[in-house]
Amino acid sequence: KAGVTQTPRYLIKTRGQQVTLSCSPISGHRSVSWYQQTPGQGLQFLFEYFSETQRNKGNFPGRFSGRQFSNSRSEMNVSTLELGDSALYLCASSLGQSGEKLFFGSGTQLSVL
Amino acid sequence: AQSVSQHNHHVILSEAASLELGCNYSYGGTVNLFWYVQYPGQHLQLLLKYFSGDPLVKGIKGFEAEFIKSKFSFNLRKPSVQWSDTAEYFCAVNARSSNTGKLIFGQGTTLQVKP
Repeated sequence: KAGVTQTPRYLIKTRGQQVTLSCSPISGHRSVSWYQQTPGQGLQFLFEYFSETQRNKGNFPGRFSGRQFSNSRSEMNVSTLELGDSALYLCASSLGQSGEKLFFGSGTQLSVL
Repeated sequence: AQSVSQHNHHVILSEAASLELGCNYSYGGTVNLFWYVQYPGQHLQLLLKYFSGDPLVKGIKGFEAEFIKSKFSFNLRKPSVQWSDTAEYFCAVNARSSNTGKLIFGQGTTLQVKP
């Protein structure tokens, strides 16, 4: 069974640009969550999608958005990039039930110059 | 608001030493508790979780954790660490009433085991 796949693995962008990250969950998983990981702030929840609907959102500005497609694949978009957006962005999938473990991808390392 | 505090940021142990990593959470309701581990170059994976029942839970690779409700704690333990346990360990919590994808993580503890 293939794991959670995130593309691209690395990205370098400049301030003001926008970026789209992709996540393919484990087959059959309907929930996809996104997290930002930085040395200073640790792992912070961005949002969760379940059956194409956003059902949880963290405390990030509106520049961070996402969506989920009918095949459960998800994308997150960051517009007007800032230096502080440099981070490892992790995607996690699950069947979507309470108390379940999350399966994480390897992440996309975003560097904003 | 929920929060998770991990007391140790960096722990260095010799092989065969015992390990205990502290985790305290802040939340007024019923919670699910997790420990995740990130080995060097690998993705985050679940070590163990507490959902309900016996507050002493056992996970993979000989790890265990004890949920003490009165102390809002979920400390991770291992009686004898190995060099291969070198990794970053994260405690996490979500509200039982919430949906599964939203976890609040602690800052993480880097464990270095010397051979």
